[in-house]
Amino acid sequence: GAVVSQHPSRVICKSGTSVKIECRSLDFQATTMFWYRQFPKQSLMLMATSNEGSKATYEQGVEKDKFLINHASLTLSTLTVTSAHPEDSSFYICSASPELAHGYTFGSGTRLTVV
Amino acid sequence: RKEVEQDPGPFNVPEGATVAFNCTYSNSASQSFFWYRQDCRKEPKLLMSVYSSGNEDGRFTAQLNRASQYISLLIRDSKLSDSATYLCVVNSGAPSGSARQLTFGSGTQLTVLP
Repeated sequence: GAVVSQHPSRVICKSGTSVKIECRSLDFQATTMFWYRQFPKQSLMLMATSNEGSKATYEQGVEKDKFLINHASLTLSTLTVTSAHPEDSSFYICSASPELAHGYTFGSGTRLTVV
Repeated sequence: RKEVEQDPGPFNVPEGATVAFNCTYSNSASQSFFWYRQDCRKEPKLLMSVYSSGNEDGRFTAQLNRASQYISLLIRDSKLSDSATYLCVVNSGAPSGSARQLTFGSGTQLTVLP
């Protein structure tokens, strides 16, 4: 089945630093990947759609200069949280789908804690 | 009104019980529907797709009513391992730089008690 690998699974960083999260599709090519954020006891909220070879599309209220997305190849998308603050602490999850007719596969998520 | 609404629960049921979750969606143009399961501090995992004709996978049965914009999940003979949060997910096909976009319900928490 489709596998999406996300790395790192957990990161603690100091306020003001940047953190890069990687999302890889291991056995399929993904022209589109999605980045979500989930706060405790809340549902997943789509942050942005990552498009291979072009600019990402951000959801309303998500700062594109703060959450930098790069989708340089058909199997890799990265999300960089720049100048992280404690309020950015959350569970970040990526997803992709090998075929449009099927459900989406999620990466294992990255738990970011900004101290 | 939220695009996808679920009863948050929690549902606390004894082992062996039958439990049903409901979900409503607001976008009548929604194209596909799923139930995902999310364990605490883990990523969501696809439980099953939901088809108009209804579908069953072992102890799990999913139903879709397009006219009422309503989706359900029935779990029979519940097991301790069924304890999780169940997410109703709708593909609205809304433009967002992509042909497809998933909208997640806030989830229904289930605890199966011994």
